[in-house]
Amino acid sequence: AQSVTQLDSQVPVFEEAPVELRCNYSSSVSVYLFWYVQYPNQGLQLLLKYLSGSTLVKGINGFEAEFNKSQTSFHLRKPSVHISDTAEYFCAVSSIKAAGNKLTFGGGTRVLVKP
Amino acid sequence: DSGVTQTPKHLITATGQRVTLRCSPRSGDLSVYWYQQSLDQGLQFLIHYYNGEERAKGNILERFSAQQFPDLHSELNLSSLELGDSALYFCASSAGTVSSPLHFGNGTRLTVT
Repeated sequence: AQSVTQLDSQVPVFEEAPVELRCNYSSSVSVYLFWYVQYPNQGLQLLLKYLSGSTLVKGINGFEAEFNKSQTSFHLRKPSVHISDTAEYFCAVSSIKAAGNKLTFGGGTRVLVKP
Repeated sequence: DSGVTQTPKHLITATGQRVTLRCSPRSGDLSVYWYQQSLDQGLQFLIHYYNGEERAKGNILERFSAQQFPDLHSELNLSSLELGDSALYFCASSAGTVSSPLHFGNGTRLTVT
């Protein structure tokens, strides 16, 4: 079984400032890692994913994440946020041995970008 | 637009009733997943179907059931509804491999009064 912990439930940040959203996971097997974003009244949209290879993953909208196996972390960063980045962000994992991509989600981090 | 269509968008019903939520996956996707999102439980995996067959079950109550039809659309049936079933129910679809990302619909908001 897997579990995902997002260490911050809310992150206020000023426009054009950098932001980092922390994600730690626990799993007895190897996992794939994902970040999703949920804008108000919408479904979840994939930001980026780590399957293998380079531990630094670039996604859409200027976001990137770094996989750290020893620390079992997959933190999400953006060097300069926009008002439009106000949303809830979810970290998720899936077991590479599972039948299908059943995701286990963290509790989410609400990002509020202030002008 | 993710390509995943969920109907209805909103549903208001009374305790004890039964409802059906419908999901049409992205064209070509064989897998359908159902998730429940609530304030206290967060995003919880309910069930996964692949090409008509059940593949995995999560925290799905016995009062809930789902199926995937030959045209690959899926329905989630919720019966004997309780106040605590009020939540946002998401459907997601994927190509079906373990590394395929999920594409989510906009959800059905269920309110049980």
